[in-house]
Amino acid sequence: AQSVTQLDSQVPVFEEAPVELRCNYSSSVSVYLFWYVQYPNQGLQLLLKYLSGSTLVKGINGFEAEFNKSQTSFHLRKPSVHISDTAEYFCAVYNQGGKLIFGQGTELSVKP
Amino acid sequence: SQTIHQWPATLVQPVGSPLSLECTVEGTSNPNLYWYRQAAGRGLQLLFYSVGIGQISSEVPQNLSASRPQDRQFILSSKKLLLSDSGFYLCAWSRGEHYEQYFGPGTRLTVT
Repeated sequence: AQSVTQLDSQVPVFEEAPVELRCNYSSSVSVYLFWYVQYPNQGLQLLLKYLSGSTLVKGINGFEAEFNKSQTSFHLRKPSVHISDTAEYFCAVYNQGGKLIFGQGTELSVKP
Repeated sequence: SQTIHQWPATLVQPVGSPLSLECTVEGTSNPNLYWYRQAAGRGLQLLFYSVGIGQISSEVPQNLSASRPQDRQFILSSKKLLLSDSGFYLCAWSRGEHYEQYFGPGTRLTVT
């Protein structure tokens, strides 16, 4: 079965600094990967997805992620964060049967 | 465009009372539908998913049940709530041939 590990439960960062949120997945033949963002008391919003093709995926709000098959990683990056990026971020991998397997989440806290 | 609705947005119920949460999707047909629970400080737990009317798969045995009486309607129920049922309940949908899921705004349930 697929699994996802988000290596940091909390990431504090100052405004305008770069950030990387780490995600590792268990290996499989076909891998489809996603990053979601959740603002307080809201549902999850899709940030970006990797299905195939270019390993560098660009998403909304200036985020991007790089699929690294050899390291089984899909880290999320942003070159300069804003206060409004403060939220919970979830990495997910598609599992057979139409289900997504989610990581435990990383709380990004952007400080002024 | 597609939209997903959940109601109520918040709910406070006493232990032992029944529960009914509703989710509806607009703008698509024959979606896959999902119920997740998010306990405080934890990730997402898949509770039920459905690939069609009357077709429900349960992921975790518990005192909750789900039903899909119409193509775009998904209902989460309980006959008697427990304190441990408190949490944030999220409904999601996906297209059968696609992998990503789209989430509703969620229902905050507090069992007292």
